[in-house]
Amino acid sequence: NAGVTQTPKFRVLKTGQSMTLLCAQDMNHEYMYWYRQDPGMGLRLIHYSVGEGTTAKGEVPDGYNVSRLKKQNFLLGLESAAPSQTSVYFCASRQAYEQYFGPGTRLTVT
Amino acid sequence: KNQVEQSPQSLIILEGKNCTLQCNYTVSPFSNLRWYKQDTGRGPVSLTIMTFSENTKSNGRYTATLDADTKQSSLHITASQLSDSASYICVVTDVQKLVFGTGTRLLVSP
Repeated sequence: NAGVTQTPKFRVLKTGQSMTLLCAQDMNHEYMYWYRQDPGMGLRLIHYSVGEGTTAKGEVPDGYNVSRLKKQNFLLGLESAAPSQTSVYFCASRQAYEQYFGPGTRLTVT
Repeated sequence: KNQVEQSPQSLIILEGKNCTLQCNYTVSPFSNLRWYKQDTGRGPVSLTIMTFSENTKSNGRYTATLDADTKQSSLHITASQLSDSASYICVVTDVQKLVFGTGTRLLVSP
């Protein structure tokens, strides 16, 4: 099992550009999450999904959209990137109490 | 406001020594408390999960304690190794939502 994988690992965007981050899990988990991690702050929840075809807003959803067309994939989109979205993005999936995190995507917006 | 505070922010210890990391929380209602280890450039990995009724849980050289009355937890690392160098994150769940601490950065020096 690969667990939770994220693509890409690194990306640099110019302000106003768009991109999609891909998260994939092979553990057949229903719940999936997108977080961002910024220096000096705890991980913050952007969006989450409780199953295929469902999404919901988390703590900091503005500027992001998500889709869960297939159970194993959870996509995070930035339609018009802003410097404030420079961060490390983590995807996670959940089984019972346990959350399994991906390796992260480091995004820089200039 | 639900908060998780960790201390110290950073810590340097010699290889082979023990150390204790602290976590205070104000999250309510309380469901469970987790400790995660996050290596540089990687996603968090779960060390322990404790529910309200548990006050001690071990995972190898890691021992977590929980005092639900005072809303405090600690993570004790015994006989530290160089591979213990990482950030340790305390996370408290209020039924559905995870509230993350900002972490303690531990450096184990040879």
